[in-house]
Amino acid sequence: EDQVTQSPEALRLQEGESSSLNCSYTVSGLRGLFWYRQDPGKGPEFLFTLYSAGEEKEKERLKATLTKKESFLHITAPKPEDSATYLCAVRNSGNTPLVFGKGTRLSVIA
Amino acid sequence: DAGVIQSPRHEVTEMGQEVTLRCKPISGHDYLFWYRQTMMRGLELLIYFNNNVPIDDSGMPEDRFSAKMPNASFSTLKIQPSEPRDSAVYFCASSFSQRYNSPLHFGNGTRLTVT
Repeated sequence: EDQVTQSPEALRLQEGESSSLNCSYTVSGLRGLFWYRQDPGKGPEFLFTLYSAGEEKEKERLKATLTKKESFLHITAPKPEDSATYLCAVRNSGNTPLVFGKGTRLSVIA
Repeated sequence: DAGVIQSPRHEVTEMGQEVTLRCKPISGHDYLFWYRQTMMRGLELLIYFNNNVPIDDSGMPEDRFSAKMPNASFSTLKIQPSEPRDSAVYFCASSFSQRYNSPLHFGNGTRLTVT
């Protein structure tokens, strides 16, 4: 059974304090690892897809990386508007629907 | 495009009542998914459709839950009778094929409270 574990559950940062969120996964043949951002009262919003170990994707202050067992979402010099829950999800080689982790709640304090 | 549209945004009902949640997927998307989100369990897949046909409903908690997709632009999730443990946020999502590079696009959810 595919599993996704995210850590930490919650993270509080000062504005400008860089950090990383972790997504560990167990999947039968990874076809894609997805990162989403979710704001309160909203649905998850797609950020990145990573396909193979060593791949990196960037968007503004966010950079996602992928290894064979985990993915990291690096946040460089975060701002209060980066506060949200970040969700990680995987799709396996059978092309079944995405399996999500429980997310990391990020709070960035000015 | 307006994105995935869900209604109602909030639903408060009493135990035993029937609840119907509605979803309009993005035009042209051929997959539709219903997820449920709680603090304890995160996002859980309930059921998904391909070209209006249910593919996998193994995530539906029990027979009280049912889902339909009568056409490509509309789906419903029904709970009858509702129970307090059904309280959660229900999301609908759609995608264009289930290729590995196809992300899901989510609606803003329906927050269900059963008292």
